[in-house]
Amino acid sequence: DVQLLESGGGLVQPGGSLRLSCAVSGFTMRGYAMSWVRHTPGKGLEWVSAISGDDDRTYYGDFVRGRFTMSRDISKNTLYLQMNSLRGDDTAIYYCASRNGVIPYWGQGTLVTVSS
Amino acid sequence: DIQMTQSPSSLSASVGDRVTITCRASQDISSYLAWYQQKPGKVPKLLIYAASTLQSGVPSRFSGSGSGTDFSLTISSLQPEDIATYYCQKYNAAPWTFGQGTRVDIK
Repeated sequence: DVQLLESGGGLVQPGGSLRLSCAVSGFTMRGYAMSWVRHTPGKGLEWVSAISGDDDRTYYGDFVRGRFTMSRDISKNTLYLQMNSLRGDDTAIYYCASRNGVIPYWGQGTLVTVSS
Repeated sequence: DIQMTQSPSSLSASVGDRVTITCRASQDISSYLAWYQQKPGKVPKLLIYAASTLQSGVPSRFSGSGSGTDFSLTISSLQPEDIATYYCQKYNAAPWTFGQGTRVDIK
């Protein structure tokens, strides 16, 4: 069975940093694009970023470009999201998601709260 | 970037009603359109991809149509378990933008 398990969320002050991880089991990430998607009650689902399956090319939503960096370690089958310069409106549940543009697989999500 | 606009933002209907949600892309996305259901406190669930292909295990009362810029999701007979927020998403190219969501509840 496919499982995506996020970790690394928590409470952080504005301007701070967090690194989210997503451990993937049930398939190898090589050859499949992976995404981070976040959810807030006010804005609903927001696509945050994606990494391509073959060449590690990354893509970002305008609201995170320059602040967040997505990466992956194929040997560990793990996805990462480094989040810097966090703002209050980054408060959300962050989901690891796959595969490719259509997303049949979702993690359970990890809550990121940005507050002083 | 291409914008995705859903309407209505919310609706209330009776059990058994036919419900239709629309999604409009600001540019042509061919059939690269998916629909998701998210119940309160739950993980999103893929319902439809390629505008009209039903994901395995999704009840047949859900259907999708459209291409280019105009799409729709129809629930042929609304059931109590369909209370949720529904999102469209384009995936022709990054960014894989979601619509703002349509909240569906029972009248």
